[in-house]
Amino acid sequence: GDSVTQMEGPVTLSEEAFLTINCTYTATGYPSLFWYVQYPGEGLQLLLKATKADDKGSNKGFEATYRKETTSFHLEKGSVQVSDSAVYFCALSGAAGGTSYGKLTFGQGTILTVHP
Amino acid sequence: DGGITQSPKYLFRKEGQNVTLSCEQNLNHDAMYWYRQDPGQGLRLIYYSQIVNDFQKGDIAEGYSVSREKKESFPLTVTSAQKNPTAFYLCASSPDSSRETQYFGPGTRLLVL
Repeated sequence: GDSVTQMEGPVTLSEEAFLTINCTYTATGYPSLFWYVQYPGEGLQLLLKATKADDKGSNKGFEATYRKETTSFHLEKGSVQVSDSAVYFCALSGAAGGTSYGKLTFGQGTILTVHP
Repeated sequence: DGGITQSPKYLFRKEGQNVTLSCEQNLNHDAMYWYRQDPGQGLRLIYYSQIVNDFQKGDIAEGYSVSREKKESFPLTVTSAQKNPTAFYLCASSPDSSRETQYFGPGTRLLVL
């Protein structure tokens, strides 16, 4: 079945450092890919998404590019802030006919802590 | 404001007791979902509903039940058959059951007394 693998955390950075959180996936066909963010004690918020190969999703300084050849959707930000401290989830929604069509399959989440 | 509400924020369950978690949305979305979140395991799908009066089991449905009598409501019952119910439960909705973005509620934390 479809699956998502994220880099293991936690990740600890200083303010203004460069961030990369790796995400790779296994899926049939062309899934839609998502990054969600969860702040302490809250639900998930959509951060960005991409629906086809080579698409770049971006929001609030975060970016991720849908790479079909490497089955990856790595999250990047050039300069992190303390307010970016949260848990980040990579997820996919499978192509029609696949096991995860219409459902989200999540990675295990990566905890990011940014220090002043 | 449009959104998804979940109640209560915290819920305590005694041994052998069934408890029901509420999820309401005013986004006019057709599809609704329940996820369970455990530390370090990401989110796992319990049940989902693509339309009123219809729902399907997700990956970890045992010990849970749902109903979808109204478009805006999708309550989840944690039954006594669920032996390890302590977790953070998240409800979500999307415009339809294709690959649209899902929108999440604030969650309910269930604890066992």
